[in-house]
Amino acid sequence: ETGVTQTPRHLVMGMTNKKSLKCEQHLGHNAMYWYKQSAKKPLELMFVYSLEERVENNSVPSRFSPECPNSSHLFLHLHTLQPEDSALYLCASSQRSSTGELFFGEGSRLTVL
Amino acid sequence: GESVGLHLPTLSVQEGDNSIINCAYSNSASDYFIWYKQESGKGPQFIIDIRSNMDKRQGQRVTVLLNKTVKHLSLQIAATQPGDSAVYFCAENGMDSSYKLIFGSGTRLLVRP
Repeated sequence: ETGVTQTPRHLVMGMTNKKSLKCEQHLGHNAMYWYKQSAKKPLELMFVYSLEERVENNSVPSRFSPECPNSSHLFLHLHTLQPEDSALYLCASSQRSSTGELFFGEGSRLTVL
Repeated sequence: GESVGLHLPTLSVQEGDNSIINCAYSNSASDYFIWYKQESGKGPQFIIDIRSNMDKRQGQRVTVLLNKTVKHLSLQIAATQPGDSAVYFCAENGMDSSYKLIFGSGTRLLVRP
């Protein structure tokens, strides 16, 4: 149990579907992150939210839309995805003022057909 | 599947032997480094970290060594156990901020019984 919970753990969707990934952290942290982990690339930072404000958008296509309604919850809304978007999406949290250790969830395995 | 895509360096060790996993980092301005372990089907888990004002730090069965001259980081695991089999990632905080981590591509550790 890492204190960061992601749902769903597995998701299969067609290219025209709309779905969302959810992340919840129970650690009292004030920064949350989305990372993409695919078979072809190392861990890629997608988005960073600090104090519920988006502070990083790493050139991610607009078909990925993050939402951070409060410091404990983070969503990744998915729309019109491509097969190459199939990957493990990892959520993480940290205390922004601390050393930088990220606490990861178990990930949501996404397959786009 | 796993056979196509990012080719991870693999270290195969005998159970009970010591393991050394190496990492070359990219940014000389990085002042914080961290090692993560990722088991199959799970998110990355923190192992140990080190700041740039140190060159060695020890944990339980693990030691991290930092050589800033050649931008090299290593993770030593003593008396390697089957449960140590995983992919190991190093990460640095880069020059932009202390709360964003940049990950390496990882090394797969296989422990032979």
